[in-house]
Amino acid sequence: AQSVTQLDSHVSVSEGTPVLLRCNYSSSYSPSLFWYVQHPNKGLQLLLKYTSAATLVKGINGFEAEFKKSETSFHLTKPSAHMSDAAEYFCVVSDRVSGNTPLVFGKGTRLSVIA
Amino acid sequence: NAGVTQTPKFQVLKTGQSMTLQCAQDMNHNSMYWYRQDPGMGLRLIYYSASEGTTDKGEVPNGYNVSRLNKREFSLRLESAAPSQTSVYFCASSYLNSNGYTFGSGTRLTVV
Repeated sequence: AQSVTQLDSHVSVSEGTPVLLRCNYSSSYSPSLFWYVQHPNKGLQLLLKYTSAATLVKGINGFEAEFKKSETSFHLTKPSAHMSDAAEYFCVVSDRVSGNTPLVFGKGTRLSVIA
Repeated sequence: NAGVTQTPKFQVLKTGQSMTLQCAQDMNHNSMYWYRQDPGMGLRLIYYSASEGTTDKGEVPNGYNVSRLNKREFSLRLESAAPSQTSVYFCASSYLNSNGYTFGSGTRLTVV
């Protein structure tokens, strides 16, 4: 069975400082991993995805994530936070072997950016 | 390109009333999903349809029914609404899970 744990429910950073949102996963097979972002009162938007190519994945708006199999982690980072990054972020896992078995979502991390 | 369209965007129901949430996608995706989002709970899967003509229960199916009307449309029905069903509902679709999901903009439902 697959599962995902987002280690922080809320992260607060100052504008211009680095962002780190932590995610650990559990998967029986080779996973696909995703980060989604949800701005207030909006739907979810795909930020980036890992599907077995390069372990460092670059996404939109300067975000990137590194797949570390030995640590079963897929942490999301950004070098410099912007006010517009304030949102809810979801880490998501899928077993690539299992066809269309639904994706499993983490409970989310709310990112606050302080001016 | 509309993507995933959900209607309505907002709805207030009285306890015991029924309603259907509509979802349509124009991306020729095989699979469609209904989630509910509650504070601190993340997204929880209600029902999904891996392909046209099939539906399966997710994590929280009680109190809901679904219909995969055709490849484009997947509706969610509340037969007798309860205050515990107050939530934001999201529809999503995918061609392959490895590509991730495309989400609609959500329906905010309040049951009083």
